[in-house]
Order: sequence, then C-alpha cells, then structure tokens
Amino acid sequence: EAQVTQNPRYLITVTGKKLTVTCSQNMNHEYMSWYRQDPGLGLRQIYYSMNVEVTDKGDVPEGYKVSRKEKRNFPLILESPSPNQTSLYFCATQKGGTGTGYEQYFGPGTRLTVT
Amino acid sequence: GNSVTQMEGPVTLSEEAFLTINCTYTATGYPSLFWYVQYPGEGLQLLLKATKADDKGSNKGFEATYRKETTSFHLEKGSVQVSDSAVYFCALSTPRFGNEKLTFGTGTRLTIIP
Repeated sequence: EAQVTQNPRYLITVTGKKLTVTCSQNMNHEYMSWYRQDPGLGLRQIYYSMNVEVTDKGDVPEGYKVSRKEKRNFPLILESPSPNQTSLYFCATQKGGTGTGYEQYFGPGTRLTVT
Repeated sequence: GNSVTQMEGPVTLSEEAFLTINCTYTATGYPSLFWYVQYPGEGLQLLLKATKADDKGSNKGFEATYRKETTSFHLEKGSVQVSDSAVYFCALSTPRFGNEKLTFGTGTRLTIIP
C-alpha cells in the first residue's frame, strides 16, 4: 500500500528544545516537501527536495532545517522551536517531473505545540 | 506570484443539496489546478484535477472545470451526503526549477446535516 508516514502525530514541547519530525514514503518518489497549515492561511511550503542530497527553501523556511540522505526519508528539524512554530505539519511526496500535474500524496500530519 | 482565493467558510448544507465552492486563481504560466479534501484527523487527499484550459476534473460526484477566461475552478456536486463533510482546498501548481510546490487557498469547511 502506498504510504506516507509521519512521526510523531502529536507533540507538545517547550521553547528551545530541539526536535525532529520524521517523514517516510514507500512510493520511490523523487520529490518530497514539507508544509505547515495554519488557520486562515491554508498550507504553506517550508522546504522541498527534488532528490537525494538536493533540498531548497520554500516560502516559510525560517527556523527549520531538513535533510535528504535517503530517497524515502525527509525529516524536518526544529533546532530551537518557538511558539510561532505551533502548527499542523504535513509531509508530501510526488513522482518527479515538472509541469505534469502529478498528484501529491500527503502524510497524516503532525500537530506540534510549542509552549 | 501565484495565489488562490476560495470561498470563505464554513458552509453548512442539508443532505442532497447542491454544492458550489468558488475558487479563483492568479498564476504565471499555465497552472495545473486541483481540489484536495481533508477529512477530520487525516491528511489531504486529491479529489480531482485539471491540467489545461476547458478540462473537467471529476471524482465521487464532484466536478470542476478549468476556466482560463475567468481564472476559475469552482467545485460542484449535485447532491451532497453527510460523508462529504470535510475541509476542501483549491490549489494550483506551476512547477519551476524542479519545485512542484502547491499553492493553496485557505480552505472551506463543509458540514452536511442529515
């Protein structure tokens, strides 16, 4: 079964305590991306990766890091979380190829609260 | 830059009512257009898509037509069911330099009452 998994699903943490949200896919997709979802703002892209070792900033990258050492995994790292990073986070994957309107597959989401 | 404007919610309808959720967009180039649906506690799922002007996407009784002249992609369903209660997102994609980023609208929460 095609799957995008995220862990943890829920996390409450304190300001400044480093955390990692994992994302893994079993579809052999080249492209992976992180979004955050906030009320009234829809989803906004944080970082994306076109393939292994190739990552780049999206629209709201400040305060986040990513890595892509393996094709299937794309972790999101918050080195020093702050309350304004409280949000619902989604990982998404897509078969590579531009301009083709391929479907993006989303993980179930990680709800992060930073106090 | 790209942007998507969709109908503010929440929208509450009775079962079997007709549904329209408006979506208009601004984009450079020739975007692909999508409707994604988010059921409670779940991630987003593709509902339907259209990749060029005048294309009609359809799925599960939902339809949307890519109207380039009005830059619109309105979602419609003739007879909604309680199970259609969800948040609906209109989105577009104009991939550039390998970034397949989706630009989303703010979402419309739909509640269907029996």
